[in-house]
Amino acid sequence: AQRVTQPEKLLSVFKGAPVELKCNYSYSGSPELFWYVQYSRQRLQLLLRHISRESIKGFTADLNKGETSFHLKKPFAQEEDSAMYYCALNVKTSGSRLTFGEGTQLTVNP
Amino acid sequence: SAVISQKPSRDICQRGTSLTIQCQVDSQVTMMFWYRQQPGQSLTLIATANQGSEATYESGFVIDKFPISRPNLTFSTLTVSNLSPEDSSIYLCSGRTGNGYTFGSGTRLTVV
Repeated sequence: AQRVTQPEKLLSVFKGAPVELKCNYSYSGSPELFWYVQYSRQRLQLLLRHISRESIKGFTADLNKGETSFHLKKPFAQEEDSAMYYCALNVKTSGSRLTFGEGTQLTVNP
Repeated sequence: SAVISQKPSRDICQRGTSLTIQCQVDSQVTMMFWYRQQPGQSLTLIATANQGSEATYESGFVIDKFPISRPNLTFSTLTVSNLSPEDSSIYLCSGRTGNGYTFGSGTRLTVV
């Protein structure tokens, strides 16, 4: 079965520092990967989708099939980036069901 | 992208009763999903709500406990039946859209 691993439950950085949130998945086929963000008291929002290859709020993520990873990166973290981040995997043969990682709580300190 | 209105946003229920959660989408979505998010944990899929047919439940979730309706492509309900304190959680609905999945704002259920 497919699985998503986010090894860090908590991540704390200072404003202006680079940040990387790790995501590894287990699936041998072609995955569809997403990053979702949940700011305090707000609903889950789509941040990035690997197919689109775009940068949102300065975040980027590259799918590395060899390492089965989809790490989220931002060169200069801002305080407003503090939130819970979830990596999610859709395996189309599973009926478009999303499998979520455990989430990483990012705190950006002033 | 689609917007999902979910209600109620929170409720406190007596054990043994039931709570029905509604999700209304502002456009048609072919696939809708219901999740549970227990305190401090990630999202766990309960079931896929299929329009015109029975929902498809994940392992560990059964129709008698979590009946789901999907009468059309813009609406779905989840009922959590015979409530116990272990059902205290956040419940979310989601719809598959063109570029991903959109989520409701969640229902925080407390069972007393």
